[in-house]
Amino acid sequence: EAEVAQSPRYKITEKSQAVAFWCDPISGHATLYWYRQILGQGPELLVQFQDESVVDDSQLPKDRFSAERLKGVDSTLKIQPAELGDSAMYLCASSLAPAGGLTDTQYFGPGTRLTVL
Amino acid sequence: GNSVTQMEGPVTLSEEAFLTINCTYTATGYPSLFWYVQYPGEGLQLLLKATKADDKGSNKGFEATYRKETTSFHLEKGSVQVSDSAVYFCALVHTGGFKTIFGAGTRLFVKA
Repeated sequence: EAEVAQSPRYKITEKSQAVAFWCDPISGHATLYWYRQILGQGPELLVQFQDESVVDDSQLPKDRFSAERLKGVDSTLKIQPAELGDSAMYLCASSLAPAGGLTDTQYFGPGTRLTVL
Repeated sequence: GNSVTQMEGPVTLSEEAFLTINCTYTATGYPSLFWYVQYPGEGLQLLLKATKADDKGSNKGFEATYRKETTSFHLEKGSVQVSDSAVYFCALVHTGGFKTIFGAGTRLFVKA
Protein backbone atom coordinates (compact mmCIF):
# COMPACT_ATOMS: atom_id res chain seq x y z
CA GLU A 1 0.00 0.00 0.00
CA ALA A 2 1.36 3.41 -0.99
CA GLU A 3 2.31 5.72 1.86
CA VAL A 4 3.36 9.29 2.44
CA ALA A 5 7.03 9.40 3.39
CA GLN A 6 8.58 12.00 5.67
CA SER A 7 12.10 12.58 6.91
CA PRO A 8 13.63 12.98 9.33
CA ARG A 9 11.32 11.40 11.92
CA TYR A 10 12.94 13.35 14.73
CA LYS A 11 14.94 16.57 14.74
CA ILE A 12 16.55 18.38 17.64
CA THR A 13 17.98 21.81 16.99
CA GLU A 14 18.98 24.93 18.84
CA LYS A 15 17.06 28.14 18.48
CA SER A 16 18.18 30.41 15.65
CA GLN A 17 19.32 27.43 13.59
CA ALA A 18 17.78 26.41 10.27
CA VAL A 19 15.84 23.17 9.86
CA ALA A 20 14.27 21.47 6.87
CA PHE A 21 11.72 18.69 6.54
CA TRP A 22 11.04 16.58 3.47
CA CYS A 23 7.83 14.94 2.28
CA ASP A 24 7.18 12.52 -0.57
CA PRO A 25 3.44 12.16 -1.20
CA ILE A 26 1.63 9.19 -2.66
CA SER A 27 2.36 8.97 -6.37
CA GLY A 28 -0.22 10.77 -8.47
CA HIS A 29 -1.64 12.86 -5.64
CA ALA A 30 -2.18 16.42 -6.82
CA THR A 31 -2.64 18.07 -3.44
CA LEU A 32 -0.04 18.22 -0.69
CA TYR A 33 -0.50 19.67 2.79
CA TRP A 34 1.84 20.62 5.60
CA TYR A 35 0.35 20.74 9.09
CA ARG A 36 1.75 21.66 12.49
CA GLN A 37 0.47 19.69 15.47
CA ILE A 38 1.28 21.07 18.90
CA LEU A 39 1.12 18.50 21.71
CA GLY A 40 -2.46 18.03 22.85
CA GLN A 41 -3.97 19.86 19.89
CA GLY A 42 -5.26 18.98 16.47
CA PRO A 43 -3.27 19.57 13.29
CA GLU A 44 -3.26 23.13 11.96
CA LEU A 45 -2.77 23.72 8.24
CA LEU A 46 0.38 25.64 7.38
CA VAL A 47 0.38 25.40 3.60
CA GLN A 48 -1.51 23.58 0.85
CA PHE A 49 -0.20 22.92 -2.66
CA GLN A 50 -2.01 21.90 -5.78
CA ASP A 51 0.71 20.46 -7.97
CA GLU A 52 3.52 23.04 -7.63
CA SER A 53 1.30 26.01 -6.79
CA VAL A 54 0.43 27.27 -3.32
CA VAL A 55 -3.35 27.44 -2.85
CA ASP A 56 -3.40 28.37 0.85
CA ASP A 57 -0.56 29.63 3.03
CA SER A 58 -2.58 31.98 5.19
CA GLN A 59 -1.36 30.37 8.44
CA LEU A 60 2.28 30.04 7.43
CA PRO A 61 4.56 32.42 9.39
CA LYS A 62 6.26 33.72 6.29
CA ASP A 63 8.96 35.64 8.12
CA ARG A 64 10.60 32.36 9.11
CA PHE A 65 8.82 29.51 7.31
CA SER A 66 9.03 28.62 3.64
CA ALA A 67 7.70 25.72 1.62
CA GLU A 68 8.20 24.57 -1.92
CA ARG A 69 7.04 21.79 -4.21
CA LEU A 70 9.13 22.56 -7.27
CA LYS A 71 8.16 19.73 -9.63
CA GLY A 72 4.76 19.13 -8.14
CA VAL A 73 5.92 15.93 -6.45
CA ASP A 74 7.93 16.02 -3.24
CA SER A 75 8.07 19.03 -0.96
CA THR A 76 10.34 20.73 1.55
CA LEU A 77 9.32 22.83 4.55
CA LYS A 78 12.01 25.07 6.03
CA ILE A 79 12.24 27.07 9.22
CA GLN A 80 14.90 29.75 9.57
CA PRO A 81 15.56 30.73 12.27
CA ALA A 82 13.90 28.19 14.55
CA GLU A 83 12.31 29.47 17.76
CA LEU A 84 11.41 27.65 20.96
CA GLY A 85 7.72 27.88 20.10
CA ASP A 86 8.26 25.91 16.89
CA SER A 87 8.62 22.67 18.85
CA ALA A 88 5.83 20.48 17.49
CA MET A 89 5.02 17.59 15.17
CA TYR A 90 5.08 18.56 11.49
CA LEU A 91 2.75 16.41 9.42
CA CYS A 92 2.60 16.04 5.67
CA ALA A 93 -0.50 14.75 3.91
CA SER A 94 -1.58 14.25 0.33
CA SER A 95 -4.86 13.75 -1.49
CA LEU A 96 -5.75 12.66 -4.97
CA ALA A 97 -8.07 15.40 -6.17
CA PRO A 98 -6.93 18.85 -7.26
CA ALA A 99 -7.38 21.48 -4.54
CA GLY A 100 -8.35 18.74 -2.07
CA GLY A 101 -12.04 18.92 -2.54
CA LEU A 102 -14.92 18.77 -0.15
CA THR A 103 -14.93 15.00 0.27
CA ASP A 104 -11.39 13.97 -0.56
CA THR A 105 -9.51 11.75 1.89
CA GLN A 106 -6.13 12.97 3.10
CA TYR A 107 -3.36 10.43 3.64
CA PHE A 108 -0.89 11.38 6.34
CA GLY A 109 2.77 10.59 6.80
CA PRO A 110 4.23 9.63 10.20
CA GLY A 111 5.39 13.18 10.90
CA THR A 112 8.61 14.87 11.97
CA ARG A 113 8.89 15.68 15.64
CA LEU A 114 10.88 18.90 16.08
CA THR A 115 12.40 19.94 19.39
CA VAL A 116 13.96 23.39 19.60
CA LEU A 117 16.33 23.91 22.54
CA GLY B 1 -15.51 31.25 11.86
CA ASN B 2 -15.36 27.52 11.27
CA SER B 3 -14.45 25.33 14.23
CA VAL B 4 -14.69 21.84 15.70
CA THR B 5 -15.15 21.06 19.38
CA GLN B 6 -14.53 17.60 20.81
CA MET B 7 -15.03 16.21 24.27
CA GLU B 8 -11.90 16.35 26.36
CA GLY B 9 -10.01 13.20 27.13
CA PRO B 10 -8.64 10.96 28.11
CA VAL B 11 -11.50 8.52 27.94
CA THR B 12 -10.78 5.25 29.71
CA LEU B 13 -12.98 2.22 29.08
CA SER B 14 -12.89 -1.49 29.72
CA GLU B 15 -12.86 -3.86 26.79
CA GLU B 16 -16.32 -4.45 25.26
CA ALA B 17 -17.70 -1.19 26.70
CA PHE B 18 -19.76 1.23 24.59
CA LEU B 19 -17.92 4.26 23.26
CA THR B 20 -19.18 7.74 22.48
CA ILE B 21 -16.90 10.64 21.62
CA ASN B 22 -18.81 13.87 21.16
CA CYS B 23 -18.06 16.28 18.34
CA THR B 24 -19.86 19.50 17.45
CA TYR B 25 -19.01 21.97 14.74
CA THR B 26 -19.54 25.53 13.60
CA ALA B 27 -19.40 26.16 9.89
CA THR B 28 -20.93 28.20 7.12
CA GLY B 29 -22.54 26.33 4.29
CA TYR B 30 -22.56 22.54 4.17
CA PRO B 31 -19.24 21.06 5.28
CA SER B 32 -18.11 17.48 4.98
CA LEU B 33 -17.32 15.81 8.30
CA PHE B 34 -14.58 13.31 9.11
CA TRP B 35 -13.17 11.22 11.91
CA TYR B 36 -9.46 10.50 11.78
CA VAL B 37 -7.58 8.16 14.14
CA GLN B 38 -3.94 8.35 15.21
CA TYR B 39 -2.44 5.18 16.67
CA PRO B 40 0.70 5.49 18.79
CA GLY B 41 3.74 6.35 16.70
CA GLU B 42 1.77 6.65 13.47
CA GLY B 43 0.26 9.36 11.31
CA LEU B 44 -3.44 10.16 11.13
CA GLN B 45 -5.64 7.92 9.04
CA LEU B 46 -9.20 8.33 7.93
CA LEU B 47 -11.69 6.35 10.01
CA LEU B 48 -14.97 7.46 8.42
CA LYS B 49 -16.66 10.41 6.76
CA ALA B 50 -20.05 11.86 5.88
CA THR B 51 -20.67 14.44 3.21
CA LYS B 52 -24.26 15.58 3.76
CA ALA B 53 -26.91 15.84 6.43
CA ASP B 54 -28.25 12.53 7.80
CA ASP B 55 -25.44 10.55 6.17
CA LYS B 56 -23.94 7.86 8.38
CA GLY B 57 -20.27 7.01 8.05
CA SER B 58 -19.09 3.64 9.29
CA ASN B 59 -15.88 1.62 9.41
CA LYS B 60 -14.35 -1.06 11.67
CA GLY B 61 -17.44 -1.05 13.90
CA PHE B 62 -17.35 2.73 14.38
CA GLU B 63 -20.27 4.91 13.28
CA ALA B 64 -21.09 8.60 13.16
CA THR B 65 -24.16 10.40 11.80
CA TYR B 66 -24.08 13.90 10.33
CA ARG B 67 -26.72 15.83 12.32
CA LYS B 68 -27.21 19.27 10.84
CA GLU B 69 -29.95 20.27 13.29
CA THR B 70 -27.60 19.78 16.25
CA THR B 71 -24.37 20.47 14.28
CA SER B 72 -22.93 17.24 15.63
CA PHE B 73 -21.00 14.21 14.40
CA HIS B 74 -20.59 11.98 17.45
CA LEU B 75 -18.42 8.86 17.13
CA GLU B 76 -19.81 5.60 18.53
CA LYS B 77 -18.75 1.99 18.81
CA GLY B 78 -20.75 -0.74 20.47
CA SER B 79 -17.87 -2.79 21.87
CA VAL B 80 -14.35 -1.39 22.07
CA GLN B 81 -11.17 -3.44 21.97
CA VAL B 82 -7.72 -2.80 23.42
CA SER B 83 -6.51 -2.21 19.86
CA ASP B 84 -8.85 0.81 19.59
CA SER B 85 -6.63 2.75 22.00
CA ALA B 86 -5.61 5.84 20.04
CA VAL B 87 -6.31 9.54 19.60
CA TYR B 88 -9.46 10.38 17.64
CA PHE B 89 -9.83 13.63 15.70
CA CYS B 90 -13.05 15.10 14.40
CA ALA B 91 -12.63 17.35 11.38
CA LEU B 92 -14.56 19.34 8.83
CA VAL B 93 -13.89 20.55 5.34
CA HIS B 94 -15.88 23.67 4.56
CA THR B 95 -17.04 24.90 1.22
CA GLY B 96 -15.01 28.10 1.33
CA GLY B 97 -11.59 26.97 0.16
CA PHE B 98 -11.74 23.29 1.13
CA LYS B 99 -9.53 23.83 4.17
CA THR B 100 -9.66 21.09 6.81
CA ILE B 101 -10.31 22.18 10.40
CA PHE B 102 -9.44 19.63 13.09
CA GLY B 103 -10.66 19.33 16.64
CA ALA B 104 -8.16 19.02 19.48
CA GLY B 105 -8.41 15.24 19.60
CA THR B 106 -9.69 12.80 22.22
CA ARG B 107 -7.39 10.15 23.61
CA LEU B 108 -9.00 6.76 24.24
CA PHE B 109 -7.52 4.12 26.52
CA VAL B 110 -9.11 0.67 26.51
CA LYS B 111 -8.19 -1.69 29.36
CA ALA B 112 -8.24 -5.48 29.02
